[in-house]
Amino acid sequence: RKEVEQDPGPFNVPEGATVAFNCTYSNSASQSFFWYRQDCRKEPKLLMSVYSSGNEDGRFTAQLNRASQYISLLIRDSKLSDSATYLCVGTSGSARQLTFGSGTQLTVLP
Amino acid sequence: EPEVTQTPSHQVTQMGQEVILRCVPISNHLYFYWYRQILGQKVEFLVSFYNNEISEKSEIFDDQFSVERPDGSNFTLKIRSTKLEDSAMYFCASTSGQSYEQYFGPGTRLTVT
Repeated sequence: RKEVEQDPGPFNVPEGATVAFNCTYSNSASQSFFWYRQDCRKEPKLLMSVYSSGNEDGRFTAQLNRASQYISLLIRDSKLSDSATYLCVGTSGSARQLTFGSGTQLTVLP
Repeated sequence: EPEVTQTPSHQVTQMGQEVILRCVPISNHLYFYWYRQILGQKVEFLVSFYNNEISEKSEIFDDQFSVERPDGSNFTLKIRSTKLEDSAMYFCASTSGQSYEQYFGPGTRLTVT
């Protein structure tokens, strides 16, 4: 059974700070990984896919280490609008269904 | 930008009643999913649907649940006899299958009283 584990936080950081979230997963057969963000009582929104080579999208950098079964997300120059719950997500099964972590709550303070 | 839509946004029903939750996936997507999220808990996979049939389902998706794609656009989740513990947000998602990035609808909040 595939599980995804995250530090639930909360992380409270000042505007402009750099914050890093980590995630570990079991079951080395997991195929693809993503970071989603979820605002309170809203749907998960895809933030970015995660690749072994690392990928960057503006202020966001994601990294996958398959040997250590570890995924990270780095947010630079935090904005108030970054306040949300960040969900580490993997895929499994023939239908590539998503397995969600419990999420890490981030609050960016003015 | 195309998006997944869901109706209703909120459904209140009495225990034992049947409910149908509706979704319109992104038009050129081929894989469809239902997930649920009980308040304060993780998002959980229920079922996936491809080529007009269920491709995978979780242990949550028991005989009380069914899915259907009645026409070329709608994708529905039916709960035959709701229980109190079915109260949750139900999210529909879809993907083209090329990148496996799934896009979620805004959800239906189901409240069973």
